[in-house]
Amino acid sequence: KAGVTQTPRYLIKTRGQQVTLSCSPISGHRSVSWYQQTPGQGLQFLFEYFSETQRNKGNFPGRFSGRQFSNSRSEMNVSTLELGDSALYLCASSVLSGGAVNTEAFFGQGTRLTVV
Amino acid sequence: SQQGEEDPQALSIQEGENATMNCSYKTSINNLQWYRQNSGRGLVHLILIRSNEREKHSGRLRVTLDTSKKSSSLLITASRAADTASYFCAAQGGKLIFGQGTELSVKP
Repeated sequence: KAGVTQTPRYLIKTRGQQVTLSCSPISGHRSVSWYQQTPGQGLQFLFEYFSETQRNKGNFPGRFSGRQFSNSRSEMNVSTLELGDSALYLCASSVLSGGAVNTEAFFGQGTRLTVV
Repeated sequence: SQQGEEDPQALSIQEGENATMNCSYKTSINNLQWYRQNSGRGLVHLILIRSNEREKHSGRLRVTLDTSKKSSSLLITASRAADTASYFCAAQGGKLIFGQGTELSVKP
């Protein structure tokens, strides 16, 4: 069974631009969560999608948005990029929504975003 | 911040020694999970302990959970150089909240 796939793996963008990151979950997994990882702030929860609906949201500005498609694939968009958005963005999939049952999360390799 | 705390932040030991990492969290939880991350790559799930469990074993891993103190510990026995990585605890209530992590270095 294929794991969680994130594309692209690396990305360099300029301040003010926008970026879209993609995540394909494990087949059969309906929940996709996104995390931002930086050396200073650690792993911070962005949002979770389950069956195309946002279930949970972290404390990030509205520039960060996401969506989930009917095939459970998810995209994350960051608009008006700032230098501080440079980070490793990780996507995790699980069978069910994190709020419902004891489920482990399977992580992708991440997208390394650098804003210059 | 909702994030939990882990200590130590960094731990350096010799192969064969045991490594203990501690985690504290702030929310009510369904379970507490431990993950491992190698060099800024994706996280790998190690073990999940439910809120009604006190101890769990998996191979060389032993996890304890004290919900009254909102704390957990991960013990890796007989460590190997290949165990060198960052280890994160994650408290799951409605969502997974990660601790800051412990960087473990196992010297051959």
